[in-house]
Amino acid sequence: GDSVTQMEGPVTLSEEAFLTINCTYTATGYPSLFWYVQYPGEGLQLLLKATKADDKGSNKGFEATYRKETTSFHLEKGSVQVSDSAVYFCALMNTGANSKLTFGKGITLSVRP
Amino acid sequence: DGGITQSPKYLFRKEGQNVTLSCEQNLNHDAMYWYRQDPGQGLRLIYYSQIVNDFQKGDIAEGYSVSREKKESFPLTVTSAQKNPTAFYLCASSGPPGQSNSPLHFGNGTRLTVT
Repeated sequence: GDSVTQMEGPVTLSEEAFLTINCTYTATGYPSLFWYVQYPGEGLQLLLKATKADDKGSNKGFEATYRKETTSFHLEKGSVQVSDSAVYFCALMNTGANSKLTFGKGITLSVRP
Repeated sequence: DGGITQSPKYLFRKEGQNVTLSCEQNLNHDAMYWYRQDPGQGLRLIYYSQIVNDFQKGDIAEGYSVSREKKESFPLTVTSAQKNPTAFYLCASSGPPGQSNSPLHFGNGTRLTVT
């Protein structure tokens, strides 16, 4: 079945540091890929998405490129802020009548001033 | 504004009692989902419903039940058969089924504590 693997956390960075959060997936067909973010005490929000190979999703300074050859969708940001502290989830959704999102385990990012 | 409302935000129950978590959406979405979130385990799918009066078990349905009598509502009952009910529960909805680029919209969750 479909699966998503995220790097182990938590991750702690200083403000303005470069961020990379790794995500790889296993899926049949051509899934869409997503990054969701969860701020403390809240539900998840869609951060960015990519629907086909080589697409780049971007939002709020974050970027991720759909790499079919390496089955990856790594999240990057050039300069993190304290307000980026949250839990980040990588996810995929396959096509089909009963398609549903498959999530990775999530990784907690803490950014210190 | 359209969105998903989960209530209450915090819920406390004694062991052996059933409890129902509310989820209402005004996004006119067909599909609704219930996830459970535990530290270090990410999100696990409990039940989902693609259309009114129909629902399917997710990966961890044992000890839970749902109903989908209205498009807007998808309540989750945590029964006394659920061995570890204390968790953060998230409800979500999405657009037409089969569209892989339809993101999920989440509520703000209900934290259930059973003692």
